[in-house]
Amino acid sequence: DSGVTQTPKHLITATGQRVTLRCSPRSGDLSVYWYQQSLDQGLQFLIQYYNGEERAKGNILERFSAQQFPDLHSELNLSSLELGDSALYFCASSPLLAGTDTQYFGPGTRLTVL
Amino acid sequence: GESVGLHLPTLSVQEGDNSIINCAYSNSASDYFIWYKQESGKGPQFIIDIRSNMDKRQGQRVTVLLNKTVKHLSLQIAATQPGDSAVYFCAENIGGGSYIPTFGRGTSLIVHP
Repeated sequence: DSGVTQTPKHLITATGQRVTLRCSPRSGDLSVYWYQQSLDQGLQFLIQYYNGEERAKGNILERFSAQQFPDLHSELNLSSLELGDSALYFCASSPLLAGTDTQYFGPGTRLTVL
Repeated sequence: GESVGLHLPTLSVQEGDNSIINCAYSNSASDYFIWYKQESGKGPQFIIDIRSNMDKRQGQRVTVLLNKTVKHLSLQIAATQPGDSAVYFCAENIGGGSYIPTFGRGTSLIVHP
């Protein structure tokens, strides 16, 4: 158990809908990272937040947004969902800002868009 | 764009053998590399990392080698055990001062008892 929790574990929805994925980092970790893992694209970095502020951006679509709250939990919002958004979404956390800190991954949320 | 790739999608070894998993990267500006292990149904797990100013780093039963001349990264696992069976990813950080990793597609390591 990494100490990172993600909810829900599974999510099934329809195209055009909007969903919110939630992540609670390990106690004391200030950085949260979001990743997408799909069969065709592999693992992709989406975005990093540190202590409530966005710090790095990867291949995140404009339809996707994230935020980190004062209690350090984070949410990833996916809107206008398409079939191709079906994937595993992982959250990871680390103590500090640097991406070179060891990151601890959660178990993931499996999103299925029908 | 530039990408990280893996030479072998599947590697089968016998328990007790040494395993070598390879990764090619194409961005000469990458300054930090990470190996992750992902077991079925779980999230990736950090194994070992290496910065571009090093060519070798050792951990517990694992060694990462970096050859910047040919842009090649390898992960060596000594005395491979059935619990090492998983998919292994390499990642390179292309972000300079920021963390913006690019991941390889992964190699599936199968360890036979």
